[in-house]
Amino acid sequence: AQKITQTQPGMFVQEKEAVTLDCTYDTSDQSYGLFWYKQPSSGEMIFLIYQGSYDEQNATEGRYSLNFQKARKSANLVISASQLGDSAMYFCAMKTNAGKSTFGDGTTLTVKP
Amino acid sequence: KAGVTQTPRYLIKTRGQQVTLSCSPISGHRSVSWYQQTPGQGLQFLFEYFSETQRNKGNFPGRFSGRQFSNSRSEMNVSTLELGDSALYLCASSFRDRSTDTQYFGPGTRLTVL
Repeated sequence: AQKITQTQPGMFVQEKEAVTLDCTYDTSDQSYGLFWYKQPSSGEMIFLIYQGSYDEQNATEGRYSLNFQKARKSANLVISASQLGDSAMYFCAMKTNAGKSTFGDGTTLTVKP
Repeated sequence: KAGVTQTPRYLIKTRGQQVTLSCSPISGHRSVSWYQQTPGQGLQFLFEYFSETQRNKGNFPGRFSGRQFSNSRSEMNVSTLELGDSALYLCASSFRDRSTDTQYFGPGTRLTVL
């Protein structure tokens, strides 16, 4: 069975500071993809970043980077230089070739001015 | 390239009725997945279709069904609606159904059951 755990229901960060959102996962599959999505109050899920299980380098996309530690089964999202528009719910997700996609419960990030 | 579109965006139904939601994937994408999102249960996987075949199914009762057409458009149907079916239904498409393929989401259909 697949499982994604996001232990931080809510996080606060000061504008322009960096923040790390935690994600741990569990799967017996060797090949899997890890994803982070942002969901603003409007409801739409916005893709942020992807990390493959065989990728040796941590993924980066602009201000987003994924701290991938395979042995610890963690895939934390780092947002640098937070902006007010980053306030949203953030979901960590995993997809394997054999199974369905699994999402965590999400972390609500609030950026303070 | 146009994104994933879902229709309708909002829907109000009463208990016992049935509803059909539609999803048009990004052009060229052949995999479509459906999710239910509620405040209490979070984001739950309903099913995934690839090339008109259901590939995976989540833990939902048989009242929830879906299909995919040859143009990759997908529909999901909920029969005998219950109050607990009130939720945001999200559709996501990807090029294939592999773990490396990013899913892109539509804006969702917000269903309210009275």
